[in-house]
Amino acid sequence: DAKTTQPPSMDCAEGRAANLPCNHSTISGNEYVYWYRQIHSQGPQYIIHGLKNNETNEMASLIITEDRKSSTLILPHATLRDTAVYYCIVPNNAGNMLTFGGGTRLMVKP
Amino acid sequence: DAGVIQSPRHEVTEMGQEVTLRCKPISGHDYLFWYRQTMMRGLELLIYFNNNVPIDDSGMPEDRFSAKMPNASFSTLKIQPSEPRDSAVYFCASSSLGREAFFGQGTRLTVV
Repeated sequence: DAKTTQPPSMDCAEGRAANLPCNHSTISGNEYVYWYRQIHSQGPQYIIHGLKNNETNEMASLIITEDRKSSTLILPHATLRDTAVYYCIVPNNAGNMLTFGGGTRLMVKP
Repeated sequence: DAGVIQSPRHEVTEMGQEVTLRCKPISGHDYLFWYRQTMMRGLELLIYFNNNVPIDDSGMPEDRFSAKMPNASFSTLKIQPSEPRDSAVYFCASSSLGREAFFGQGTRLTVV
């Protein structure tokens, strides 16, 4: 599995954009980058995933660098409800086994 | 679909007792995962199934743990005998090949 590296914690002001970085320098050409988040006491929740191109959905945007060695998850207008642990994951070659690292604990402050 | 359903939500048991956790995956999903989460070790993948067949159980901590998937709509994780160090939140998740995984709300297990 491609290993991912994320900062352990970040703060963001409510209403501002939250930019969460992830390094995955050993990613191979056909491996996707997935982002999940876990709000306290709940099961992890899927946010977004991508291969090469930038992606956007109703929750967030995903920016993947051209060399695919890093990516950034963007929450355009963070709210207090976005306070959670965010996990960047590169599944195994079969595309399904999710190995979670430590993630980034995002604290959105009023 | 109601999502991935786990039961019970909370379980308190005495050391040495058998514990069975249950999971109903989302209909049509062919992958099922069992995870354990603790403060010390984070989210650990214990085992996963594809089309009801166990594919990788290398994360199962020891022989006291066993998991089964008798059909596409049901899976169990059993701990026998349970120990205090098994106290954790256990999550079940399901997915289709190449698609995102959906997690249940978890079972909080306390072994006293």
